[in-house]
Amino acid sequence: NAGVTQTPKFRILKIGQSMTLQCAQDMNHNYMYWYRQDPGMGLKLIYYSVGAGITDKGEVPNGYNVSRSTTEDFPLRLELAAPSQTSVYFCASRTQGTEAFFGQGTRLTVV
Amino acid sequence: KQEVTQIPAALSVPEGENLVLNCSFTDSAIYNLQWFRQDPGKGLTSLLLIQSSQREQTSGRLNASLDKSSGRSTLYIAASQPGDSATYLCAVRLSTGANNLFFGTGTRLTVIP
Repeated sequence: NAGVTQTPKFRILKIGQSMTLQCAQDMNHNYMYWYRQDPGMGLKLIYYSVGAGITDKGEVPNGYNVSRSTTEDFPLRLELAAPSQTSVYFCASRTQGTEAFFGQGTRLTVV
Repeated sequence: KQEVTQIPAALSVPEGENLVLNCSFTDSAIYNLQWFRQDPGKGLTSLLLIQSSQREQTSGRLNASLDKSSGRSTLYIAASQPGDSATYLCAVRLSTGANNLFFGTGTRLTVIP
């Protein structure tokens, strides 16, 4: 059972480039989330989804976009990378009333 | 807005000692509270989940308590081991709204052999 899988694990982007962070879960969870973790700060919610076809903004959505075409996948898109988006990104999933499961993270550096 | 605070930010203890990590939150209308462990450069591993109707949960040497009315949770680690060294995060889910987790900044624990 793979749980929540994130790819890539590491990435360096130049300012203005675009990329997609992939997240997939094999637990048939309805809810999926994207968080970012900056040094010395708690995790902040970027976007979330309560099911296929439904997404909504979290606390820090600017500069990001998401889609949820299937239950399993929840990709996060960065359109014009900025140094402020240097961070570690975590994807998480859960079902109603249960604990949240997290992926191993994607460490992104924008130079 | 829910604010979650963890004190202390860092803690060093000798091996074998029992210890308590603290978590406080400002909005008592929570659905549940979850404790995580994060090793350097790794993801978050769920340790314990306490529903709002529960007072405590236990798993092995770990015991987490919840006092909703005072906005506090504690994570008790018995007979600490060097392998317990990690950052411990608490997170609360509100009863309403986006159903996301609000995280504290964590307590970095070092257990000295």
